[in-house]
Amino acid sequence: DFQMTQSPSSLSASVGDSVTITCRASQDIRHYVAWYQQAAGKVPKLLIYEASTLQLGVPSRFRGSGSGTNFSLTISRLQPEDLATYYCQKYDTDPWTFGPGTKVDMK
Amino acid sequence: QVQLVESGGGVVQPGMSLRLSCAASGFTFSYYAMHWVRQAPGKGLEYVAVITSDETGSYYAESVKGRFTISRDNSKNTLYLQINNLRVEDTAVYYCGRLGGSYWGAFDFWGQGTLVTVSS
Repeated sequence: DFQMTQSPSSLSASVGDSVTITCRASQDIRHYVAWYQQAAGKVPKLLIYEASTLQLGVPSRFRGSGSGTNFSLTISRLQPEDLATYYCQKYDTDPWTFGPGTKVDMK
Repeated sequence: QVQLVESGGGVVQPGMSLRLSCAASGFTFSYYAMHWVRQAPGKGLEYVAVITSDETGSYYAESVKGRFTISRDNSKNTLYLQINNLRVEDTAVYYCGRLGGSYWGAFDFWGQGTLVTVSS
């Protein structure tokens, strides 16, 4: 059974901080990872695909990296509008499994 | 601009059926694979189903196989999700969306979602 895990499950940070969320796949998925942002009560939004490619319009303070089974999302210079839950997802093949999410809130 | 508008949600009793629709506009619908994702209250995102642009492939999460059917009508720019034998645990917001390619990809655009509540 394929698994995507994320850590931490939640974190608190201050405006201007840099934060990193990690995602681990239970099998090699090459670079087929996407990251999504979901603010409270809002629709999920694609931030990054192919592990490190920024979706159009996404600020450059978001950076993705990794390949194989280990991936990360780094948010530099955290802004109040970055308060959200972040999900990784594999999309190399079916199933398009999501990670459990990491909630980012402000200190 | 890309627009995806879901409809068909509501309150239904366990065991009943429901068909969700997703009307697409602002892009060439027939070129893209499409998805359904759900989110139970207070929970994370759960992949439900994907259908390829030309309907040659449809894929389902293990949790919904045999009860859910994804389909599309490219002449009407509409995506569907047929849900049979509804269970309390199917209660969720159901989002439709577009994949970045004809056969797979990341989920690059999402609708606003439609709420399905299963309760007796």
